[in-house]
Amino acid sequence: NAGVTQTPKFQVLKTGQSMTLQCAQDMNHNSMYWYRQDPGMGLRLIYYSASEGTTDKGEVPNGYNVSRLNKREFSLRLESAAPSQTSVYFCASSEIRGSTDTQYFGPGTRLTVL
Amino acid sequence: EDKVVQSPLSLVVHEGDTVTLNCSYEVTNFRSLLWYKQEKKAPTFLFMLTSSGIEKKSGRLSSILDKKELSSILNITATQTGDSAIYLCAVVWLEYGNKLVFGAGTILRVKS
Repeated sequence: NAGVTQTPKFQVLKTGQSMTLQCAQDMNHNSMYWYRQDPGMGLRLIYYSASEGTTDKGEVPNGYNVSRLNKREFSLRLESAAPSQTSVYFCASSEIRGSTDTQYFGPGTRLTVL
Repeated sequence: EDKVVQSPLSLVVHEGDTVTLNCSYEVTNFRSLLWYKQEKKAPTFLFMLTSSGIEKKSGRLSSILDKKELSSILNITATQTGDSAIYLCAVVWLEYGNKLVFGAGTILRVKS
């Protein structure tokens, strides 16, 4: 049981390049999330998927797109990377079960855009 | 705008000290508040608190929610160097399932 996995762990891009961050979970959770974390700003929600087949914008969606490929996988795409997108990206998943709101996080992807 | 504010932003203590971290929120349709500990990588879950006001404990850590004050505290007694981390508070909106709004975090450093 690996929990939430993310690839790659590190990535360096040039301005204007595109890339896709991959996320997968093996906990059979319905909901999945993408966050970015910048110094002094905590975690900010980029997009989320409450269930397979649905996606919604979070707090900072501009410059990103997502795909909920199936129940396990939720990918984040940067179509034209900008230096402002240099950040650490975390994927998370959760199951709304009674009063449980816990989200489980992947190890993160450290992205640098030059 | 809904927001979550944590204080202090950072603090340094010595091993054995007791620390109290604060989290206040301005969130409509509050559902629950979560505390996470983040060391070098992913945040790991500590506690979930609801309006019931029940204190949660785990070893040297404890946390409680004050629904009147719209705030929560996280206490760590007899601190150890392994407690050094960023402590994140997040609030769940009732209207959005369990979409989380995070505070900026408190950086705790415990010196030996």
